[in-house]
Amino acid sequence: NAGVTQTPKFQVLKTGQSMTLQCAQDMNHEYMSWYRQDPGMGLRLIHYSVGAGITDQGEVPNGYNVSRSTTEDFPLRLLSAAPSQTSVYFCASSYGAGTPYEQYFGPGTRLTVT
Amino acid sequence: DAKTTQPNSMESNEEEPVHLPCNHSTISGTDYIHWYRQLPSQGPEYVIHGLTSNVNNRMASLAIAEDRKSSTLILHRATLRDAAVYYCILSVWGAQKLVFGQGTRLTINP
Repeated sequence: NAGVTQTPKFQVLKTGQSMTLQCAQDMNHEYMSWYRQDPGMGLRLIHYSVGAGITDQGEVPNGYNVSRSTTEDFPLRLLSAAPSQTSVYFCASSYGAGTPYEQYFGPGTRLTVT
Repeated sequence: DAKTTQPNSMESNEEEPVHLPCNHSTISGTDYIHWYRQLPSQGPEYVIHGLTSNVNNRMASLAIAEDRKSSTLILHRATLRDAAVYYCILSVWGAQKLVFGQGTRLTINP
C-alpha cells in the first residue's frame, strides 16, 4: 500500500491565484481530513469527510473548498490564495470516523503564497 | 476539548529509556488519550492510544495514572530515529478531529 499520498510536495502561488492540493489513499478508509500546520504550531483541522459525498467544516475552513466524489480522493481547493494561507498542509485518513481510530497522515504539501 | 500540558522539550541518550509526561487534569470519562509524533519534515505518525488501562505496542508503552489525570509515554530504548515532536491528545469517542497542541520536542543524543 502507498498509504496517503499528497501532491504537489511544494508550491508557490501569487496572491489571488487558485489551486487544488491533491490527496489520495489506497486503504479504503471512509474518513479523510485536511489539516494545516503553521510554523512552530500544532495542526488545525480545515475540512473533513466521513464518506464519499459527505463533507463538513473543521475549525479553520474559510478560503478552502472540498468535495469527495470517491472513497480514495479528497482534494482541497484554495479559491483565491492569500499570504495567510502560507502553511504546510497535511491530509489524513482513518478506517472509521474519529476517535479512537488511528489516523494516517500524508507527507504534506508546503505552500507559499507571495 | 480537554487540555493537555506537556514539557516543551526533553533530551535523552540513545539506547536509554525515555519517559514523556502529559498532564490532563480535566479529562472526562469518555476521553481517549492519544500519542502521535512528528519527525522532521514529515506528517504526524500514530504512536499509541488508551482509555483507562496501560497499553503496549511495538513502538511504545502508555502508562495511565489511576485517576487518569496524567499519562506517560515510554520509549523503552531510544534510537536517533525517535527524535521528534511528541503530541499528547485527548479526544472523546467519535470526535471528528484531533486537537494538536505544541507537543514535546524530544532530542536524542548519540
